[in-house]
Amino acid sequence: DAGVTQSPTHLIKTRGQQVTLRCSPISGHKSVSWYQQVLGQGPQFIFQYYEKEERGRGNFPDRFSARQFPNYSSELNVNALLLGDSALYLCASSLGRDGTKMNTEAFFGQGTRLTVV
Amino acid sequence: RKEVEQDPGPFNVPEGATVAFNCTYSNSASQSFFWYRQDCRKEPKLLMSVYSSGNEDGRFTAQLNRASQYISLLIRDSKLSDSATYLCVVNPPGQAGTALIFGKGTTLSVSS
Repeated sequence: DAGVTQSPTHLIKTRGQQVTLRCSPISGHKSVSWYQQVLGQGPQFIFQYYEKEERGRGNFPDRFSARQFPNYSSELNVNALLLGDSALYLCASSLGRDGTKMNTEAFFGQGTRLTVV
Repeated sequence: RKEVEQDPGPFNVPEGATVAFNCTYSNSASQSFFWYRQDCRKEPKLLMSVYSSGNEDGRFTAQLNRASQYISLLIRDSKLSDSATYLCVVNPPGQAGTALIFGKGTTLSVSS
């Protein structure tokens, strides 16, 4: 079975540009979350989508947006890129509701390494 | 107070040693707890979930103390391949399973 897949794996952009990152969750998983990880820090939560609705948003500016498609894949968009947006962007997939409980075990893709110059 | 705090590390231990990592969390209503492992420039990988009763997986034992809001990970008989950063992760309460909150991570280096 395929794990979480993200594209592209690496990306170089200039300040002010816009970027779109893509994520395909594990088959059967309905929840996708996005995280930003800068060097030396743990991942920081950006967004969570479940059943195509935004269910959580971290402390990131409005330049960051995301959406989830009917097939549960997801895109993260970042506008007006800043040097400080350089980071590893991670997508995580989780099952979501498992019977009456929420299964929150998350599995990560390999990430997209974004460099803003 | 940070939401999830971990031992600063790094931990440098010889093969065969036992090493323990500690973590505290601030949201007393948190319901799910995990340890993730992250190798250099790779994605985090789920090592184990942490339950109130404690749980063990081979050489790894995780404990949760809700009263103290404290999580631990014990690694016995350390192997060279255990060298990595260990991330303490908490899932605060939420209807759809909201954000995972990560600690900064503790780096473990096992030497021969």
